[in-house]
Amino acid sequence: GEDVEQSLFLSVREGDSSVINCTYTDSSSTYLYWYKQEPGAGLQLLTYIFSNMDMKQDQRLTVLLNKKDKHLSLRIADTQTGDSAIYFCAEEAGGGNKLTFGTGTQLKVEL
Amino acid sequence: KAGVTQTPRYLIKTRGQQVTLSCSPISGHRSVSWYQQTPGQGLQFLFEYFSETQRNKGNFPGRFSGRQFSNSRSEMNVSTLELGDSALYLCASSFGTSGYEQYFGPGTRLTVT
Repeated sequence: GEDVEQSLFLSVREGDSSVINCTYTDSSSTYLYWYKQEPGAGLQLLTYIFSNMDMKQDQRLTVLLNKKDKHLSLRIADTQTGDSAIYFCAEEAGGGNKLTFGTGTQLKVEL
Repeated sequence: KAGVTQTPRYLIKTRGQQVTLSCSPISGHRSVSWYQQTPGQGLQFLFEYFSETQRNKGNFPGRFSGRQFSNSRSEMNVSTLELGDSALYLCASSFGTSGYEQYFGPGTRLTVT
């Protein structure tokens, strides 16, 4: 079955790196996504990675995928106060656009 | 290019009523998916439409239904509303049916009293 887990909270200081972790159980996942949600808003697509890749970098964002351990992480370099939000990982498995989301990690950036 | 738009943004309904929510995808996108977000259950997949056909359905009762029009705009309907249907309803649009970037709209906040 499909289950995606994330830690609930992460607090970092401005300028530090943030690492948000995600574990999933469906080995047939083909694409894995990271979304950001600010209060009262919809989901903003940050990045996504195909399951045959180990890493993807996009400006301040680095995604690492360990398919053997079914572990996905999102690293945000030089974290800013504007990065404070809830971050969701999601997996797409079995074809189609159905996404299974994690519980979300609330990132708080302190001055 | 305009993003995904959803109307209305906020809605208050009474138990037993029915409601219709609308989603206009990004121009050129033919896939629309719907999700329900609640504090207790998180984000849950409702259904996906591509070229006017439902391709995938989540684990929701038959009171939840949807459709897609030839211009790719989609509507979802919830009949006989229950208090537990209060949620943020999000739609996502994508160019294709797998492995494409999925972009979300701002959502419709439904409150059932």
